[in-house]
Amino acid sequence: DAGVIQSPRHEVTEMGQEVTLRCKPISGHNSLFWYRQTMMRGLELLIYFNNNVPIDDSGMPEDRFSAKMPNASFSTLKIQPSEPRDSAVYFCASSLRPESNQPQHFGDGTRLSIL
Amino acid sequence: GDSVTQMEGPVTLSEEAFLTINCTYTATGYPSLFWYVQYPGEGLQLLLKATKADDKGSNKGFEATYRKETTSFHLEKGSVQVSDSAVYFCALTFSGGYNKLIFGAGTRLAVHP
Repeated sequence: DAGVIQSPRHEVTEMGQEVTLRCKPISGHNSLFWYRQTMMRGLELLIYFNNNVPIDDSGMPEDRFSAKMPNASFSTLKIQPSEPRDSAVYFCASSLRPESNQPQHFGDGTRLSIL
Repeated sequence: GDSVTQMEGPVTLSEEAFLTINCTYTATGYPSLFWYVQYPGEGLQLLLKATKADDKGSNKGFEATYRKETTSFHLEKGSVQVSDSAVYFCALTFSGGYNKLIFGAGTRLAVHP
């Protein structure tokens, strides 16, 4: 079975450029999470969607970050304009209905470097 | 607020040694507890879980028991292998919410032949 698929795996771009990260959740999962991982701050939850609707975006760092989920099989995380401090590994995860405490399944992440 | 505290790494062991990675939590209710593992260059994978007090989660030779009295969920393995080298994350979540995971900082394990 296909797991959570993220693209690109690596992204290197210059400060000020727009960055778009993509995620395809596991088919049938209706909860989707975006995380950021850095050495300094560990794993941080950025935003959570349930049935394609953003439920909790309190972890989104600032207005430069935005996330969308236009349908059940696709989500994007956009940074515009990007800054060097955004360099991190970004993970997408999906799970079944949230109230059942189903485990989250993670993608392999996008390693983002902003120069 | 709710939080998870793990022992600091790295933990360095020889192959076949016994492993313990300590995890304690602070929570206002009765969370479900998880251990996730992250191998180099990969995302996190669920290793094991326990949903109520005294439950024991187990997988791939790893075990952890949900201890409500000590608010702990320590990870153990009797004989580690080089292939167990990874970062291990303890996490909690609450039922009735939206499955938000609260992670510990992670503990890096290095196993040498």
